[in-house]
Amino acid sequence: DIQMTQSPSSLSASVGDRVTITCRASQSISSYLNWYQQKPGKAPNLLIYAASSLQSGVPSRFSGSGSGTDFTLTISSLQPEDFATYYCQQNYSTPYTFGQGTKLEIK
Amino acid sequence: EVQLLESGGGLVQPGGSLRLSCVASGFTFTNYAKSWVRQAPGKGLEWVSSISGTGGSTYYADSVKGRFTISRDNSKNTLYLQMNSLRAEDTAVYYCAKEPYKGVYGEFDCWGQGTLVTVSS
Repeated sequence: DIQMTQSPSSLSASVGDRVTITCRASQSISSYLNWYQQKPGKAPNLLIYAASSLQSGVPSRFSGSGSGTDFTLTISSLQPEDFATYYCQQNYSTPYTFGQGTKLEIK
Repeated sequence: EVQLLESGGGLVQPGGSLRLSCVASGFTFTNYAKSWVRQAPGKGLEWVSSISGTGGSTYYADSVKGRFTISRDNSKNTLYLQMNSLRAEDTAVYYCAKEPYKGVYGEFDCWGQGTLVTVSS
């Protein structure tokens, strides 16, 4: 199975900050990497697919980059509604696996 | 509007069975693969199973293989997850999710609200 490791596990930031979350795969997954946002008590929401493609309806302050084993999710200017938990996920091969999550909290 | 609505969760004893349903609306059901993803209380996300748009291809996580069965009734726009031989570690919120293609691809572009399954005596 491909292991996905996110860092950091938690992060405190302020409105307006630029934030970067990293995700590392245990083997090369090309660009088969997706990012999801989950708010408490809610279902996850797809933000980025294929490592760098913005899902329809997602604000342009979200961006993704990377290929192979190292990936990043960047939020260019944090908004109050962005405080949530973020997960990366590989769809290179089954079993599809998720990172452990990064909880983004208000400083 | 694309909508997925799960039902069928509840409390079940270890070794018991449960069938989850997910009714879809707002899109052509047969054109897209579907998946189940679960989340144990306070934990991260775990992919469980996927099925292609036609139902001809199915995939399972090792943790549920041989105990869970994914299926779909295209005439009812409904996805199912039959869960047998349930264990305490199956306790989780179960989400159904739509994929953007007819074939299983592992990208989940729309999710239901989830249904809670609790396995306990």
